[in-house]
Amino acid sequence: DTEVTQTPKHLVMGMTNKKSLKCEQHMGHRAMYWYKQKAKKPPELMFVYSYEKLSINESVPSRFSPECPNSSLLNLHLHALQPEDSALYLCASSQTGRTTQYFGPGTRLLVL
Amino acid sequence: GEDVEQSLFLSVREGDSSVINCTYTDSSSTYLYWYKQEPGAGLQLLTYIFSNMDMKQDQRLTVLLNKKDKHLSLRIADTQTGDSAIYFCAESTVDSSYKLIFGSGTRLLVRP
Repeated sequence: DTEVTQTPKHLVMGMTNKKSLKCEQHMGHRAMYWYKQKAKKPPELMFVYSYEKLSINESVPSRFSPECPNSSLLNLHLHALQPEDSALYLCASSQTGRTTQYFGPGTRLLVL
Repeated sequence: GEDVEQSLFLSVREGDSSVINCTYTDSSSTYLYWYKQEPGAGLQLLTYIFSNMDMKQDQRLTVLLNKKDKHLSLRIADTQTGDSAIYFCAESTVDSSYKLIFGSGTRLLVRP
């Protein structure tokens, strides 16, 4: 089973809202990732968690707040987003860092 | 430095072979990946090759790696309309830690 699940599939939010994106994997992977993908572009890395600890933050604005409650779950908390934050948000996981990453289906976010 | 380049577009007729090309610059690449992304979906891992290999075959997919020229290709035999998608080449290197370095993606259009 190489499945990474993400909820919700679609999300529309206003600039004053607070929402969360969720990601789950049951492959026993210990590294989990958040990516942002704009239309017609490759994914851009945002955050990496390794063994439930934040190991990489790619200078992401503080209106994005990641959380890793346990080894299977990864959340991305959103607050006071801007319209330019509208994108496809992808979660991925791998056994450890530097190994093959498996991606979820993504959450398509629209900020109005 | 790290840079991965791909041609933007390829159009083939159904039943023909498709060859998608990728060049990379970092000679410390460890793994090279091919991901497929259909419209509105996440990234699906198609195949990967370790940098000490020259070729890998998996059903209709053949990956060729030329380390001297830093050139990677993905050949899809008997291309079907369901193969229409964006194909991303990506590398992971010794120095990039957890990062996947993506190419810009090649849009494959399969004509009936």
